[in-house]
Amino acid sequence: DTGVSQNPRHKITKRGQNVTFRCDPISEHNRLYWYRQTLGQGPEFLTYFQNEAQLEKSRLLSDRFSAERPKGSFSTLEIQRTEQGDSAMYLCASSVGGETDTQYFGPGTRLTVL
Amino acid sequence: AQSVSQHNHHVILSEAASLELGCNYSYGGTVNLFWYVQYPGQHLQLLLKYFSGDPLVKGIKGFEAEFIKSKFSFNLRKPSVQWSDTAEYFCAVFFTNKLVFGAGTILRVKS
Repeated sequence: DTGVSQNPRHKITKRGQNVTFRCDPISEHNRLYWYRQTLGQGPEFLTYFQNEAQLEKSRLLSDRFSAERPKGSFSTLEIQRTEQGDSAMYLCASSVGGETDTQYFGPGTRLTVL
Repeated sequence: AQSVSQHNHHVILSEAASLELGCNYSYGGTVNLFWYVQYPGQHLQLLLKYFSGDPLVKGIKGFEAEFIKSKFSFNLRKPSVQWSDTAEYFCAVFFTNKLVFGAGTILRVKS
């Protein structure tokens, strides 16, 4: 068990560019979550997957955001036409699901949009 | 919508002092409750969790939390803090397939 991993750890981009982040969950974890965290706030839910199915998306996830989890393993989060307001830490978590669902977090990807 | 309130954003304590961090949530039904900790330069780590049963739960590194249903609270406690407890602490409730977090409390322990 190597924990949840995320790449890249840091991303600096210019406004209007597209970026893609990757998350590798703990093996055999069925659920995968994406959260966003800005300075002085707790993480905020963006979306989650049960295996390869994306079951819920937050209203925070505008049309410029898309997430995938092909084959129910790793996941990618893409932001198109980035804006300065997208600057944040993007966190991934995974869990086995069920009534005692416990999420384990990765180190996050810090996005800076110039 | 579910919300979580953490009463103090910054707490400064001397080593060996006792710690209590407040956490209140708004949902009145059955809840699963968590405390996560983020040490400087590290990622969020699970400190402890409550699902059911004994309302006093014990976590890692000597932390404990008490679930009081009538007060919608899940306060975190430690009898004697150490310099290494300097970190940011987040309370969270699992609600409709997601964690809802409080804004966090930054704890600084002076040696």
